[in-house]
Amino acid sequence: QITLKESGLTLVKPTQTLTLTCTFSGFSLSSSGVGVGWIRQPPGKALEWLALIFWDDGIYYSPSLRRRLTITKDISKNQVVLSMTNMDPVDTATYYCAHRGPRVAAFDFWGQGTLVTVSS
Amino acid sequence: SYVLTQPPSVSVAPGQTARITCGGTNIGSRSVHWYQQKPGQAPVLVVYDDSDRPSGIPERFSGSNSGNTATLTISRVEAGDEADYSCQVWANDSDHPVFGGGTKLTVL
Repeated sequence: QITLKESGLTLVKPTQTLTLTCTFSGFSLSSSGVGVGWIRQPPGKALEWLALIFWDDGIYYSPSLRRRLTITKDISKNQVVLSMTNMDPVDTATYYCAHRGPRVAAFDFWGQGTLVTVSS
Repeated sequence: SYVLTQPPSVSVAPGQTARITCGGTNIGSRSVHWYQQKPGQAPVLVVYDDSDRPSGIPERFSGSNSGNTATLTISRVEAGDEADYSCQVWANDSDHPVFGGGTKLTVL
């Protein structure tokens, strides 16, 4: 079965860079049509898509956060890494990674999420 | 950018039918996906491509999409259906997912 799990520092200071790792199993990110996305959710607020990487190295970023984001994949480790620079308290949120399958163009499997707090 | 509009809240009595809407310009031309999120948990896909259900999702969950409104319908609502529901589409100009603001379903 498909599983994903987010990991990384849960407390970062303003201006620092956040690095999160999504470690997954049950699928390969080298399979045609497969993607892994990052989505965040500030406390009590809506889901916000951040970035997406596909099997063919196609990469997409949220237009509003594009300059701060970098997404990469490591096929051998079954991992996707998201970096976000210049963190601010408004970036405090639960960060999720999620699988997008080749046939269902939706995020059909999600990690449990990790709460990242930005505070000095 | 493409905007999806959902009502902040919907309330329904147990056993009744809940309808949660998702508005967007000509949303009927896009595939709409719906997620259920219970407090402290990750979202779960409950409807994809307007009206299909993933394995394990009860038939009580259904969807429709036409014109400027997509609708998630939950029949015979149960207490366990109380959750936040969010719609999502992909922008036509890129693989750019867009989420609605979410609707809190309260079972009275």
